[in-house]
Amino acid sequence: DTGVSQDPRHKITKRGQNVTFRCDPISEHNRLYWYRQTLGQGPEFLTYFQNEAQLEKSRLLSDRFSAERPKGSFSTLEIQRTEQGDSAMYLCASSLAAGTPTYEQYFGPGTRLTVT
Amino acid sequence: SQQGEEDPQALSIQEGENATMNCSYKTSINNLQWYRQNSGRGLVHLILIRSNEREKHSGRLRVTLDTSKKSSSLLITASRAADTASYFCATAPNDKVIFGPGTSLSVIP
Repeated sequence: DTGVSQDPRHKITKRGQNVTFRCDPISEHNRLYWYRQTLGQGPEFLTYFQNEAQLEKSRLLSDRFSAERPKGSFSTLEIQRTEQGDSAMYLCASSLAAGTPTYEQYFGPGTRLTVT
Repeated sequence: SQQGEEDPQALSIQEGENATMNCSYKTSINNLQWYRQNSGRGLVHLILIRSNEREKHSGRLRVTLDTSKKSSSLLITASRAADTASYFCATAPNDKVIFGPGTSLSVIP
């Protein structure tokens, strides 16, 4: 257990439905990242926050995806009008800001999304 | 395009043997990290090597970094069945951590 939790762990939804995932980072970490991972691939960066500010958003993230970190603590990732291509593992990670002595990311267990 | 590329894509060895994985990257870096992922789980940070370091050890892990060749290697000595996992290198050229596609290691008891 890294201290980063994600909920739910598994989600099965029908195409066209909206889904929301939650990530609770390590409390003292001010950075929070979202990644998407498909089978046999490394995690692909989606977006990241420093405190409550969303600093970067990947071009992979279509308008159907939105992420928030309202109080600089937990974060949510919402996918609207899900498509079968959205089926993947969604990973959350937290870290201290760049420039600190260690810059390692602590990953949650992931949310596996299956769109039928 | 991915910043890091691991080689080989898959590696199968007998328990007790050493496993070597390589990573090549494209742009200049401040540090390079290696992560492990067991099947269906999140990633676990293994080791970070800074750009001014050439070699680093952590237990049975040895990481080297050659910034002139833009490459790194991860050596796992005396492998165990529990080392079976995917291994990823990661760089952060602009505060955005980029992972390679990974090396899938199978250690046969």
